[in-house]
Amino acid sequence: SQQGEEDPQALSIQEGENATMNCSYKTSINNLQWYRQNSGRGLVHLILIRSNEREKHSGRLRVTLDTSKKSSSLLITASRAADTASYFCATGDYKLSFGAGTTVTVRA
Amino acid sequence: EAQVTQNPRYLITVTGKKLTVTCSQNMNHEYMSWYRQDPGLGLRQIYYSMNVEVTDKGDVPEGYKVSRKEKRNFPLILESPSPNQTSLYFCASSFRWLAGEETQYFGPGTRLLVL
Repeated sequence: SQQGEEDPQALSIQEGENATMNCSYKTSINNLQWYRQNSGRGLVHLILIRSNEREKHSGRLRVTLDTSKKSSSLLITASRAADTASYFCATGDYKLSFGAGTTVTVRA
Repeated sequence: EAQVTQNPRYLITVTGKKLTVTCSQNMNHEYMSWYRQDPGLGLRQIYYSMNVEVTDKGDVPEGYKVSRKEKRNFPLILESPSPNQTSLYFCASSFRWLAGEETQYFGPGTRLLVL
């Protein structure tokens, strides 16, 4: 069963704009991770946020976690064409569950 | 270079013909896993291994087998492939067995078509 579900399924933005996507999960977690996938390639780890953290930053990425709502958001600021990719959240301890992903298209 | 490798990268086969997709990592990682990715369904875990000789089922293990005889290798075996196993397969590994706390390093993927 899939634990995380991303929303929206797809997002199209202009270069320079911000992109926000959300992940909802069903059961309590210890950590939540975000990954990026470029066009059918292997996923690349972006950031991990722990259940006792509310917000985390990494470069142009900002991740929030609301355990009361069982949701997380990923914000990409000042988007670039290179940010065009699919983004996935993942939860679990030794058995990981990924959502279906949000496909982001950044238009030049 | 630290990496996860998969072979073959592309494979076309016929129903019922046994095949093996290999996965190897050179980072001395404890944890290895297999996923399949299908349109609209994201990644679904097939099997995972927390260390040598320790494997367990993921969410979609039916029709697949795995083994972990050496730390670096985690082959995926399809004993009798069927068309519904046509998919994009990824192998991943992480340093420790508690995968949720660890960065997962993914292989480049194997595209499988079963006719």
